[in-house]
Amino acid sequence: GAVVSQHPSWVICKSGTSVKIECRSLDFQATTMFWYRQFPKQSLMLMATSNEGSKATYEQGVEKDKFLINHASLTLSTLTVTSAHPEDSSFYICSAGLPRGGNEQFFGPGTRLTVL
Amino acid sequence: GQNIDQPTEMTATEGAIVQINCTYQTSGFNGLFWYQQHAGEAPTFLSYNVLDGLEEKGRFSSFLSRSKGYSYLLLKELQMKDSASYLCASMDSNYQLIWGAGTKLIIKP
Repeated sequence: GAVVSQHPSWVICKSGTSVKIECRSLDFQATTMFWYRQFPKQSLMLMATSNEGSKATYEQGVEKDKFLINHASLTLSTLTVTSAHPEDSSFYICSAGLPRGGNEQFFGPGTRLTVL
Repeated sequence: GQNIDQPTEMTATEGAIVQINCTYQTSGFNGLFWYQQHAGEAPTFLSYNVLDGLEEKGRFSSFLSRSKGYSYLLLKELQMKDSASYLCASMDSNYQLIWGAGTKLIIKP
């Protein structure tokens, strides 16, 4: 149980285009999902906390107009990188916690974004 | 401020035991997590400690001392597949995970 999926697994796009990444909880309902970014050989950096039915909470330094987060249902959150630039190339990972019980977060497999 | 410290890299021999240490300073505390992350993959959960003491789970054990802000992950009977990065993360009072930079563990035959 507690499986989280992400799509796509990897994406290559041109500079200036937008990319949407989906995060789904497959066998549980996630009222809260988390979006992380990880650069090579660095730790996970929390970008934002996504709450179903309300606006996401962004971490300091993360542009909310550039990284659009939508949590339209209890099983789906999306991250859209708008007007992507090469410096946005990174490994994007989502996670979700079970609605009741424990503090463990379950991670999706990640999406590797390369912006040319 | 909030801070997690763990060694950058460790090397150990197949079949041996290795201990990866982690010290933390966070605003409030709701538990200490250890995750394993292979290159190019997302982290996978290993352990969670919220009370002082040792939690054993197969070849892996995790220890916590809240008064010292200290935890360690102990890996026994090391296998080549244990080569990975091990991430220490403390959950703060807002239930947010504060991540360490990870310890890259290299296992040699």
